[in-house]
Amino acid sequence: GESVGLHLPTLSVQEGDNSIINCAYSNSASDYFIWYKQESGKGPQFIIDIRSNMDKRQGQRVTVLLNKTVKHLSLQIAATQPGDSAVYFCAENPNTDKLIFGTGTRLQVFP
Amino acid sequence: NAGVTQTPKFRVLKTGQSMTLLCAQDMNHEYMYWYRQDPGMGLRLIHYSVGEGTTAKGEVPDGYNVSRLKKQNFLLGLESAAPSQTSVYFCASSSAGQYNSPLHFGNGTRLTVT
Repeated sequence: GESVGLHLPTLSVQEGDNSIINCAYSNSASDYFIWYKQESGKGPQFIIDIRSNMDKRQGQRVTVLLNKTVKHLSLQIAATQPGDSAVYFCAENPNTDKLIFGTGTRLQVFP
Repeated sequence: NAGVTQTPKFRVLKTGQSMTLLCAQDMNHEYMYWYRQDPGMGLRLIHYSVGEGTTAKGEVPDGYNVSRLKKQNFLLGLESAAPSQTSVYFCASSSAGQYNSPLHFGNGTRLTVT
């Protein structure tokens, strides 16, 4: 889920399909992880969070999976809708009260 | 509930000019933050506050100053704007610090310095 240069990686999915957005985090000491959604022209919006003592957490239509062994976080969106189109990015807190933000993945939903 | 409100939404400055970005939150949050967002980079913390009357430096504080005179307001100042400060600025607040609670963001101020 990290960007290369100015171009965000893009995930294109058909409406109704499930989406999986990935994030590789950097610090093995990180203990708290958050997913945000950012629509064009708006601020980031909190989706779901998870602490390192959990592997999985579910919300409404979203699930976050945490694999500490490989430092990987994923966001699964069930039955993706046009309104889910946005940039999604993860954030980690390496126990320092300072979040480290990823650069994001653009999700495009087509009919 | 308006959440986090930022003003202005857009601003163009000439190099050397000064301005203040305003942030207000109505959630009674203790913690407030200023971030900047640039293409290809994650959000970077400029300054933050853990309560009324307090401020602290973040990752990229140079060229900026802040004040938190009232709990609900957090001001970001640019004393002498530079083109490198062209960015989108986001204010955020949280109830219990970034380690324990998610951030609530405003919709940003897009600043261009020519």
